[in-house]
Amino acid sequence: SQQGEEDPQALSIQEGENATMNCSYKTSINNLQWYRQNSGRGLVHLILIRSNEREKHSGRLRVTLDTSKKSSSLLITASRAADTASYFCATDLTGGGNKLTFGTGTQLKVEL
Amino acid sequence: DTAVSQTPKYLVTQMGNDKSIKCEQNLGHDTMYWYKQDSKKFLKIMFSYNNKELIINETVPNRFSPKSPDKAHLNLHINSLELGDSAVYFCASSVTEKLFFGSGTQLSVL
Repeated sequence: SQQGEEDPQALSIQEGENATMNCSYKTSINNLQWYRQNSGRGLVHLILIRSNEREKHSGRLRVTLDTSKKSSSLLITASRAADTASYFCATDLTGGGNKLTFGTGTQLKVEL
Repeated sequence: DTAVSQTPKYLVTQMGNDKSIKCEQNLGHDTMYWYKQDSKKFLKIMFSYNNKELIINETVPNRFSPKSPDKAHLNLHINSLELGDSAVYFCASSVTEKLFFGSGTQLSVL
């Protein structure tokens, strides 16, 4: 099975609400990354958190990492319709990004 | 000024045909990749090249042959296309851990 699995598979919220997505993985990692994919487009890197970090912020994004539970969460605050996309976590076991293993993705829909 | 560009965007072909997808990056990155995304959106690495040399080949059938003429280009040739090859193929590049993706090539094998 996949290294990373996101939960929930799909999430529908109203504009202005917060959206939380979770990612669980199986083996020790060097870093974990989150990507966004708009419909019909390629993935766009959002944020990277290293195994020795617990929390990271970038604008309206907040990522946490719990290596003891092998899990990460992505929080998008004050969501906007433009945040509608699929969000993927990706684990990097060795560093260098040469072999990222992607999760199954969370499909987020932000309604007006 | 597209960073990672791949062509064509759509590819519809018959079973048994041979097709190629081209990828170019203008970011100056040393490493390039091919990823396959299936209908369930599961994304899996196929190949990785570093400065024109193959460094990762993830148990991909021999019908798939990547070629990197220089570090800015990574093309993917597929022989004898099968129905199961239908997917979206993404090219990507990186210089550190962060990947930059192209917009994808949707391959439909009929």
